[in-house]
Amino acid sequence: GENVEQHPSTLSVQEGDSAVIKCTYSDSASNYFPWYKQELGKRPQLIIDIRSNVGEKKDQRIAVTLNKTAKHFSLHITETQPEDSAVYFCSGDTDKLIFGTGTRLQVFP
Amino acid sequence: GAVVSQHPSWVICKSGTSVKIECRSLDFQATTMFWYRQFPKQSLMLMATSNEGSKATYEQGVEKDKFLINHASLTLSTLTVTSAHPEDSSFYICSTRQGNSPLHFGNGTRLTVT
Repeated sequence: GENVEQHPSTLSVQEGDSAVIKCTYSDSASNYFPWYKQELGKRPQLIIDIRSNVGEKKDQRIAVTLNKTAKHFSLHITETQPEDSAVYFCSGDTDKLIFGTGTRLQVFP
Repeated sequence: GAVVSQHPSWVICKSGTSVKIECRSLDFQATTMFWYRQFPKQSLMLMATSNEGSKATYEQGVEKDKFLINHASLTLSTLTVTSAHPEDSSFYICSTRQGNSPLHFGNGTRLTVT
């Protein structure tokens, strides 16, 4: 089955800097890669997703890149703000969604 | 508005009792529901996939007799934690989707077993 690894587990950045979170996956059949943001005690919220026929997707300050050959994808957040502080999960999807281990992002003012 | 409604949002029960968590799809008929468990500061771990009208598919290591899943209608799936113990205390969250769309999550249920 699918196995998703995520790095780093924690990430601290200064407000305005960029943050990058990387994930690798094992199942070459995975064709959908969503990223979720989860605030404490709340449900995960989809922030961006990418399908396997696309190499990059951008939505304002957030972008995701996908390298299907290497089986890795990354989340890029530019001009970080304190409200970006949360736990971020990558996921790989075949017939079910498997989550990475999560990255706790802290943005300091 | 919410696409998936999950109840209760929190529950405290005594060790040995059973707890039922409900998950309703509000906007579409959900033939499949995914049940996740999340321990503090950890990721969401898929427990099982419930299928309307048939048996649920459990992930490796999840006891099907302890975590009973019922998906009797196209809008309702339930997870019952039977004979709950303190180690079952966790955040349980359901999700579903329509076709190839992104997952819609319920708000989650925080279970505390005393």
